[in-house]
Amino acid sequence: NAGVTQTPKFRILKIGQSMTLQCAQDMNHNYMYWYRQDPGMGLKLIYYSVGAGITDKGEVPNGYNVSRSTTEDFPLRLELAAPSQTSVYFCASSYLGLGEGTNEQFFGPGTRLTVL
Amino acid sequence: QKEVEQNSGPLSVPEGAIASLNCTYSDRVSQSFFWYRQYSGKSPELIMSIYSNGDKEDGRFTAQLNKASQYVSLLIRDSQPSDSATYLCAGGIYSGGGADGLTFGKGTHLIIQP
Repeated sequence: NAGVTQTPKFRILKIGQSMTLQCAQDMNHNYMYWYRQDPGMGLKLIYYSVGAGITDKGEVPNGYNVSRSTTEDFPLRLELAAPSQTSVYFCASSYLGLGEGTNEQFFGPGTRLTVL
Repeated sequence: QKEVEQNSGPLSVPEGAIASLNCTYSDRVSQSFFWYRQYSGKSPELIMSIYSNGDKEDGRFTAQLNKASQYVSLLIRDSQPSDSATYLCAGGIYSGGGADGLTFGKGTHLIIQP
């Protein structure tokens, strides 16, 4: 199993440009998450999904959109890139949700995004 | 108060000693707690999870949860230089609609001195 994969690894955007960060998992996990990590900070939840067709906002959703058309894929869309979105973006997945028992989130390798 | 708070360090510990990492959490955080290890430039890797009050041991790692005092700790015995990393404490964060993802502390930078 490849686990959680993310593309691209690195990207530089100009202010106002758009892009989609790709995330895929091959573990048949229902739950998927997007986090961002700013330098010297912990991770902050952007969006999450409890299954195909179901998404919801996390702590810092502004400026982002997501979709979940399949169990495997959970892309994150930036519509109008701003310098404040410069960060490392991590996608994660888990078999169970919080409160449903042992919940372990597995993280992808991350996408380092710079907006200039 | 932030949901999860940790001392950012750096925490310097001699090789072979016990490293003790702590975090406190607010009322918004659920009773599911996790310790992740993150090497520089890498993604977080799960070290321990703890859901019940008390201690949980796994090899050289022991997680402790005290719900009354709202703190979680991680002990690393026989510390090795390879344990040098940033350790992130995380807890479940719930919204009105149900379970969300995790909320993380800023992390404690641990340095094991050979």
